[in-house]
Amino acid sequence: NAGVTQTPKFQVLKTGQSMTLQCAQDMNHEYMSWYRQDPGMGLRLIHYSVGAGITDQGEVPNGYNVSRSTTEDFPLRLLSAAPSQTSVYFCASSYGGTGDIQYFGAGTRLSVL
Amino acid sequence: SQQGEEDPQALSIQEGENATMNCSYKTSINNLQWYRQNSGRGLVHLILIRSNEREKHSGRLRVTLDTSKKSSSLLITASRAADTASYFCSSGAGSYQLTFGKGTKLSVIP
Repeated sequence: NAGVTQTPKFQVLKTGQSMTLQCAQDMNHEYMSWYRQDPGMGLRLIHYSVGAGITDQGEVPNGYNVSRSTTEDFPLRLLSAAPSQTSVYFCASSYGGTGDIQYFGAGTRLSVL
Repeated sequence: SQQGEEDPQALSIQEGENATMNCSYKTSINNLQWYRQNSGRGLVHLILIRSNEREKHSGRLRVTLDTSKKSSSLLITASRAADTASYFCSSGAGSYQLTFGKGTKLSVIP
């Protein structure tokens, strides 16, 4: 049972670089989401998807892009990394949305220098 | 804006004692969920309570929901050192956006 898999676990970027955080789930969940967690803060929603081909913005979408070409994968792209994007990023999935249990990945710890 | 806010921010207790943490939210909800996060790990679901439920139990966990006060509480009985973690509440209000509070950091001292 892999559940929700995030790669990489750690990443260091320089300001202006781009990268993609990978998220994959093997539970055939329709709903997937990306959060960032900063010290002393709760999780803030970046983007979410309710199914393949359908994505929408969350609370803090600026500087991030997503796409959902398959049910399994939901990558998060940082277009031009900024120090303010230093954070821990979590991907989550659920069967039907916010009314269901969310399954979280282990997180990606990102530092932007 | 934060929909759920946990209280207290930090809680330190002795092993064997009970731990109570609270969550307040602002708008009407369909359900409220509690999650645990061990240091450096992802969140793990503990319990979900729907808006038409008042109390729910799971092992040593007891969750109550008071929709008139827009609040919920999580009680962990007979705490263990392994319960040391941060606990978050999250609420869904019928949209596809789930919001989380800042969490309660629980330390259980052996």
